[in-house]
Amino acid sequence: DSGVTQTPKHLITATGQRVTLRCSPRSGDLSVYWYQQSLDQGLQFLIQYYNGEERAKGNILERFSAQQFPDLHSELNLSSLELGDSALYFCASSVDPGRLSGANVLTFGAGSRLTVL
Amino acid sequence: GQQVMQIPQYQHVQEGEDFTTYCNSSTTLSNIQWYKQRPGGHPVFLIQLVKSGEVKKQKRLTFQFGEAKKNSSLHITATQTTDVGTYFCAGPGSGGSNYKLTFGKGTLLTVNP
Repeated sequence: DSGVTQTPKHLITATGQRVTLRCSPRSGDLSVYWYQQSLDQGLQFLIQYYNGEERAKGNILERFSAQQFPDLHSELNLSSLELGDSALYFCASSVDPGRLSGANVLTFGAGSRLTVL
Repeated sequence: GQQVMQIPQYQHVQEGEDFTTYCNSSTTLSNIQWYKQRPGGHPVFLIQLVKSGEVKKQKRLTFQFGEAKKNSSLHITATQTTDVGTYFCAGPGSGGSNYKLTFGKGTLLTVNP
């Protein structure tokens, strides 16, 4: 157990639907990152929050949105789902997103596997 | 934007053989991290390198950070079946996007017992 909790572990839904993925960071970590992992695509950075504020944005589609709540848990909302959105979505947390040595080391959750049919 | 490239994409070895994966960044990195993802698992942090020319060892694994801080390598001596997985390097963004950790596409290592 890495200390980062992601729910649900698996999700099967239909095209056009909307889903919410949830993440609780490791205790003491203030920063949450979301990554998408598709077959042969590696880990694509989506978005990152620090203490409730958005800090960096990657290749996140407009149909996707995220937020980090006061208790530091985060949710990733995926809407108008398409077949190509099927992937493994990882949440990771770190102490601090800055460039200080060791502070931006990521602890990953087990992932949420989304299948869009 | 910043790009992090890894080669090779795949590597199959016989148990006992050595393995090396290389990582190159399009920009100078303040530090570089390495992660391992076992099949069906999630990425797990292995090590972080910070200094130019730094070399760190973890048992049979040797990590190097280039002098220019734009490349890195991971070398495994005498691979074992437990080394199977995908090895990723990752570097923080530069300038205003330094909070973003960009991962390479990884090198999938398979080991034949």
